[in-house]
Amino acid sequence: AQSVTQLDSQVPVFEEAPVELRCNYSSSVSVYLFWYVQYPNQGLQLLLKYLSGSTLVKGINGFEAEFNKSQTSFHLRKPSVHISDTAEYFCAVSPPEGAQKLVFGQGTRLTINP
Amino acid sequence: SQTIHQWPATLVQPVGSPLSLECTVEGTSNPNLYWYRQAAGRGLQLLFYSVGIGQISSEVPQNLSASRPQDRQFILSSKKLLLSDSGFYLCACRGRGYTEAFFGQGTRLTVV
Repeated sequence: AQSVTQLDSQVPVFEEAPVELRCNYSSSVSVYLFWYVQYPNQGLQLLLKYLSGSTLVKGINGFEAEFNKSQTSFHLRKPSVHISDTAEYFCAVSPPEGAQKLVFGQGTRLTINP
Repeated sequence: SQTIHQWPATLVQPVGSPLSLECTVEGTSNPNLYWYRQAAGRGLQLLFYSVGIGQISSEVPQNLSASRPQDRQFILSSKKLLLSDSGFYLCACRGRGYTEAFFGQGTRLTVV
């Protein structure tokens, strides 16, 4: 079975500062990894995904994430945040093609202060 | 691309009343469908998932049930709501050939 741990429940950052949201996963098989963003009272929107290949993946809104197999991590980064990045961010994992479950972490609330 | 329709957006129901939340999907066929619940500060909890018509897997024992009467229709139900059923319910779809899931806009349920 897979599980996901997001190490920070809340991350406050000043506008234009860099940010890293941490995600660690546990799995006995290879996995697909995802980051989603949720704005207030809305559904989730995909930011980026890692399937295979290059360990650095780029997503929408200037975000990127790096897959580290030895540390079983998939941390999300952005070099300079904006007020509009204030949202909740979820890391998720699923087995590759053929399986069904998509398991999410507890979420990290990113707050951008002016 | 896939579009997920969820309704209603908000719902206030008394304790002991029944519940029916509907989710329909466009833009794909034979998808995997999911119901998640999001309670304050608790992330997303997978409640049910379905790989086909009439096929439902339950993740946690609870007061809720799910059904999939048609390929692109997924229904979440309860016969008698509890206060603890309050939360934000999200339907998600993972179409064949897609690696990621797409989400509906959610239903905020308040049981009073």
